[in-house]
Amino acid sequence: GAGVSQSPRYKVAKRGQDVALRCDPISGHVSLFWYQQALGQGPEFLTYFQNEAQLDKSGLPSDRFFAERPEGSVSTLKIQRTQQEDSAVYLCANSEYPDTQYFGPGTRLTVL
Amino acid sequence: EDQVTQSPEALRLQEGESSSLNCSYTVSGLRGLFWYRQDPGKGPEFLFTLYSAGEEKEKERLKATLTKKESFLHITAPKPEDSATYLCAVASLYSGAGSYQLTFGKGTKLSVIP
Repeated sequence: GAGVSQSPRYKVAKRGQDVALRCDPISGHVSLFWYQQALGQGPEFLTYFQNEAQLDKSGLPSDRFFAERPEGSVSTLKIQRTQQEDSAVYLCANSEYPDTQYFGPGTRLTVL
Repeated sequence: EDQVTQSPEALRLQEGESSSLNCSYTVSGLRGLFWYRQDPGKGPEFLFTLYSAGEEKEKERLKATLTKKESFLHITAPKPEDSATYLCAVASLYSGAGSYQLTFGKGTKLSVIP
């Protein structure tokens, strides 16, 4: 597997539920990013990891959003108490420090 | 604040009809400008990185150019399989905490008609 993989590909949640979205990065790529893409818009930055360190979380829209990468490989984006405005595609991207980012297929989250 | 504006929002071309997509940007020190292609239901696919004004890169029917204020993606003799949304993004030299986050435009949706 040469690329970034994400799971699940689709997630439907009822408002108020917690969700966890997973990113399996390219082996050896130290930098990992999460982006949120609303329908008809470009991706928007959420957070950035270098190995296991979360160096920038300035894009997280609220304290309901939490991301982790405990061993510097797989990352999880968690959204607590989901709201309808959280409905979007969540994209994970990897790069070999510090350049071009390669994206996964995304997880489409729908909050009812 | 970094900003990226893409035009047009949508473009319909006949197969073989060449055209250009525009990406205007403002950034506090350009680290790089990136072009991606995105097909429906998929993540962005990397096309090009440009670093400095005057730089050009080519790949098959696509050619990307860069000035100090904008970038163009030229499509020569497009085919229906070139239909996709093309995204432009910039990375700043001065992103906080050493982050190389990308700021994206909204994209140009290209449709190539046989």
